[in-house]
Amino acid sequence: SQTIHQWPATLVQPVGSPLSLECTVEGTSNPNLYWYRQAAGRGLQLLFYSVGIGQISSEVPQNLSASRPQDRQFILSSKKLLLSDSGFYLCAWSDGQGYEKLFFGSGTQLSVL
Amino acid sequence: AQSVTQLGSHVSVSEGALVLLRCNYSSSVPPYLFWYVQYPNQGLQLLLKYTTGATLVKGINGFEAEFKKSETSFHLTKPSAHMSDAAEYFCAVTNSNFGNEKLTFGTGTRLTIIP
Repeated sequence: SQTIHQWPATLVQPVGSPLSLECTVEGTSNPNLYWYRQAAGRGLQLLFYSVGIGQISSEVPQNLSASRPQDRQFILSSKKLLLSDSGFYLCAWSDGQGYEKLFFGSGTQLSVL
Repeated sequence: AQSVTQLGSHVSVSEGALVLLRCNYSSSVPPYLFWYVQYPNQGLQLLLKYTTGATLVKGINGFEAEFKKSETSFHLTKPSAHMSDAAEYFCAVTNSNFGNEKLTFGTGTRLTIIP
């Protein structure tokens, strides 16, 4: 069966520090991969999605970037965190055959202080 | 452009009472609609979906939702609330059920169940 792993679960970082969140999917190949951010009172915002290795689409201009170095690995990064980067980050994957098959990781709570 | 509005960021109901979580959407083409549930410190889990066909859709855990085109609504209901239903619920809309079309989420409704 397919599983999605996301880590760390919780992260506290000072303003200006770098960020690297990792997400991996097991049990499938060539998944569509997504990074969402959940900020209080703002629902889920799609940040990036990828349909293949090295293919990244950005939905919102921001301080973050994403990379897909391997088929089932999706990384969210920042060179210098801002206070506004705080939030709950969710990785998700789908097989591209419908959103009823969109599966989420357990999320990373990022606090930038 | 598509959008979703969830009325009520917090809803409280007594155990055994009707649960009604409201969702209105905006879409220029026939929408695909979804409800997801998020339990504390977890990712999102699909509750139910409307793509085509029957407008009343049933999901997991006794939830159901009705697509009403004339009202542009997709409200989520459950006849009798259970303590385990306490969670945050998200409505979402897309114009295509495939991953190359953006899935737009509402701001969420936190459901509290009163014993």
